Amino acid sequence: QKEVEQNSGPLSVPEGAIASLNCTYSDRGSQSFFWYRQYSGKSPELIMFIYSNGDKEDGRFTAQLNKASQYVSLLIRDSQPSDSATYLCAVAAGNKLTFGGGTRVLVKP
Amino acid sequence: DAGVIQSPRHEVTEMGQEVTLRCKPISGHDYLFWYRQTMMRGLELLIYFNNNVPIDDSGMPEDRFSAKMPNASFSTLKIQPSEPRDSAVYFCASSPKRGAKAFFGQGTRLTVV
Repeated sequence: QKEVEQNSGPLSVPEGAIASLNCTYSDRGSQSFFWYRQYSGKSPELIMFIYSNGDKEDGRFTAQLNKASQYVSLLIRDSQPSDSATYLCAVAAGNKLTFGGGTRVLVKP
Repeated sequence: DAGVIQSPRHEVTEMGQEVTLRCKPISGHDYLFWYRQTMMRGLELLIYFNNNVPIDDSGMPEDRFSAKMPNASFSTLKIQPSEPRDSAVYFCASSPKRGAKAFFGQGTRLTVV
């Protein structure tokens, strides 16, 4: 079992709709959770981070964390074509940051 | 701050040659990470440093790979000898503290022919 798992996609979403991305992790000692966006040929860039159970909202993005279920998700509201990218879930246990394989999102006009 | 700086951006080398990748982390960041990204395996953590000391190198694939961090502003990842299967994008990232978000460099695209 991989330490951090994501559906590889592609997740196809109509413009203006909500994109819902999921991530599960295996290490119960994980403390910090991150979502990175990576455009093709570019480096990952941080878009959200969450440390506590519940929801965290930042603009069109909402991160949701459930430590009991070892589950973290990302919602993208009002999806735009510019949101088309690969979204990487990253989990920090202690000092170590481990990434999932990423979910490719395609927003269609 | 200019962010994490990596060099070179692209490297093409012949099998068997030594390759050295370089990274300058963001000033004041105590953690430095080296990742490798391929289509097949995604983003893999190779090694990370805390205050210039290697903490976990369990992701280093073989003895052909080595990494150093002689000071807080510079790190190298060396592959000797290189092989075609080492072809990938190598990212360096730094973060200011334990469990904090990491900032990535632009990456080095390595092609071993």
